[in-house]
Amino acid sequence: NAGVTQTPKFQVLKTGQSMTLQCAQDMNHNSMYWYRQDPGMGLRLIYYSASEGTTDKGEVPNGYNVSRLNKREFSLRLESAAPSQTSVYFCASSESPTESRGRGYTFGSGTRLTVV
Amino acid sequence: RKEVEQDPGPFNVPEGATVAFNCTYSNSASQSFFWYRQDCRKEPKLLMSVYSSGNEDGRFTAQLNRASQYISLLIRDSKLSDSATYLCVGGNSGTYKYIFGTGTRLKVLA
Repeated sequence: NAGVTQTPKFQVLKTGQSMTLQCAQDMNHNSMYWYRQDPGMGLRLIYYSASEGTTDKGEVPNGYNVSRLNKREFSLRLESAAPSQTSVYFCASSESPTESRGRGYTFGSGTRLTVV
Repeated sequence: RKEVEQDPGPFNVPEGATVAFNCTYSNSASQSFFWYRQDCRKEPKLLMSVYSSGNEDGRFTAQLNRASQYISLLIRDSKLSDSATYLCVGGNSGTYKYIFGTGTRLKVLA
């Protein structure tokens, strides 16, 4: 079972460049999420998609955009990368919160992004 | 004050020891809690949910204390393979904004 697949695993960008992080899940989950993880800050929610066709801002959405392409895929775009966006990015999925009690999130393996 | 707080550790314990971590939360409306395990440079993986009545899974026991607003994780008979960072998560089921703690690092020593 693939679970949640993220690409790329590593990326180095120059300030001002753009890129899209891809995420796909094969568990038929309704909800998908993008988090970033920084030392001492924990995981912080960037954007989420409660269900296909909807997206909403999380705790730290500035500088990012998302697209829920279909039920399986949820992409994160950096339009003009900044050094402050250097981080590890995780995609996750779950059944809807009311259905996911006890089952939590499934995370992808992460993307290590460095902006120079 | 962070919404979910954990002692970052590290907790260095010998193999076979019992170790406990606490995690405090500030939002009294939080209803759902989890413990995740994260190995170095890997993704978080669900360890166990935390139920009001407390729950056990093998060597792991999770407790919730609503009055004092904390959850705990107890690991008995620690194994070398338990060495990892343990993330506490709290939130309101029905919303999508679960809050992750920064993690507690555990090192089990031979």
